[in-house]
Amino acid sequence: AQSVTQLDSHVSVSEGTPVLLRCNYSSSYSPSLFWYVQHPNKGLQLLLKYTSAATLVKGINGFEAEFKKSETSFHLTKPSAHMSDAAEYFCVVGPFTDKLIFGTGTRLQVFP
Amino acid sequence: SQTIHQWPATLVQPVGSPLSLECTVEGTSNPNLYWYRQAAGRGLQLLFYSVGIGQISSEVPQNLSASRPQDRQFILSSKKLLLSDSGFYLCAWRSLGTEQFFGPGTRLTVL
Repeated sequence: AQSVTQLDSHVSVSEGTPVLLRCNYSSSYSPSLFWYVQHPNKGLQLLLKYTSAATLVKGINGFEAEFKKSETSFHLTKPSAHMSDAAEYFCVVGPFTDKLIFGTGTRLQVFP
Repeated sequence: SQTIHQWPATLVQPVGSPLSLECTVEGTSNPNLYWYRQAAGRGLQLLFYSVGIGQISSEVPQNLSASRPQDRQFILSSKKLLLSDSGFYLCAWRSLGTEQFFGPGTRLTVL
């Protein structure tokens, strides 16, 4: 069965400090993996995607994620948080019969 | 470039009233289209998806329905709204890649 688990429902960081949002997945074959960001009352924006090429994926706004097959993880990182990074982040795996499986989300708070 | 539109942006409706939400995509042909609902404090729930005109797959049996009258138009409807239909409705499209692209959403409040 395919699934995705976001290990933290809330993460709080200070501006200028690193960000780590954790995601583990389960899949019977090599899936595509994505991170999306959602600001309040907005749609989801694609941050980055992994599709079996380079294991370190760089996305927009300075975010990157590393695919680790041995750990079935796809954690999202950023070296230095900015106030504008405060949002909800979704780890997503798929497609499975054209459908994506969404994690439950991690709310990132950034304090000045 | 591709653009996805949803309207209305916000909607307040009484229980038992009908619903029609519209989604249109520009700049691509024959996209796969999706309707999701995001209830407060909960993740995304796939409601319907479509791989072509008139082809609708339902993921969750409920009082909602979807239609795709044109290649790049996807409509979400209900004949009688329930309180539990309140939420944030998101339309998305996918073309050649594996990723989906989302619209700005419609905030529906049923009173």
